[in-house]
Amino acid sequence: GEDVEQSLFLSVREGDSSVINCTYTDSSSTYLYWYKQEPGAGLQLLTYIFSNMDMKQDQRLTVLLNKKDKHLSLRIADTQTGDSAIYFCAEADTGFQKLVFGTGTRLLVSP
Amino acid sequence: EAGVTQFPSHSVIEKGQTVTLRCDPISGHDNLYWYRRVMGKEIKFLLHFVKESKQDESGMPNNRFLAERTGGTYSTLKVQPAELEDSGVYFCASSQPGRGNTIYFGEGSWLTVV
Repeated sequence: GEDVEQSLFLSVREGDSSVINCTYTDSSSTYLYWYKQEPGAGLQLLTYIFSNMDMKQDQRLTVLLNKKDKHLSLRIADTQTGDSAIYFCAEADTGFQKLVFGTGTRLLVSP
Repeated sequence: EAGVTQFPSHSVIEKGQTVTLRCDPISGHDNLYWYRRVMGKEIKFLLHFVKESKQDESGMPNNRFLAERTGGTYSTLKVQPAELEDSGVYFCASSQPGRGNTIYFGEGSWLTVV
């Protein structure tokens, strides 16, 4: 079955760049997503990338996809304390009707 | 435009009791999903509605869970009787098929069974 893995924890200083990594197993994944969950809040869609793309940039966010290695990363430039949250990587199945999530990476940004 | 709304936001019930969670999707979204995250685990798919029909309920853990979507609008997820291991966050999401298949999540219903 599909499996999505992420490192559990990342700590950075304010102003640095953060890179959150994700690996997945389903080679037929169509879309890959990044969601953010702040404490006590729901899941906020940050960005997504279609599987035929290598990179997508949206303001401070850059998503890189290495389809050969089934590796996805989210880079946050100029990380702020407000970026502290849990970041979930997710892949959509071939019918893109069901998401498979990673365990989430807790990002802690210190001043 | 209102997002996906869920009710209640928090619920504490005793083992053996019944709880019903409600989800109102984004207006016009045919796809409605339920997911849950139990303590320390991944967010797991429960089921998927297309309008009022269950498209995929492969993630429903057992027959104590019953989901409905009357008239293809809001959905309810009933847990009866609740067990301790049902504690967690229940997320509802909705989407309308299209490029990106953007799936929007609600704030979640935080369930604690004691």
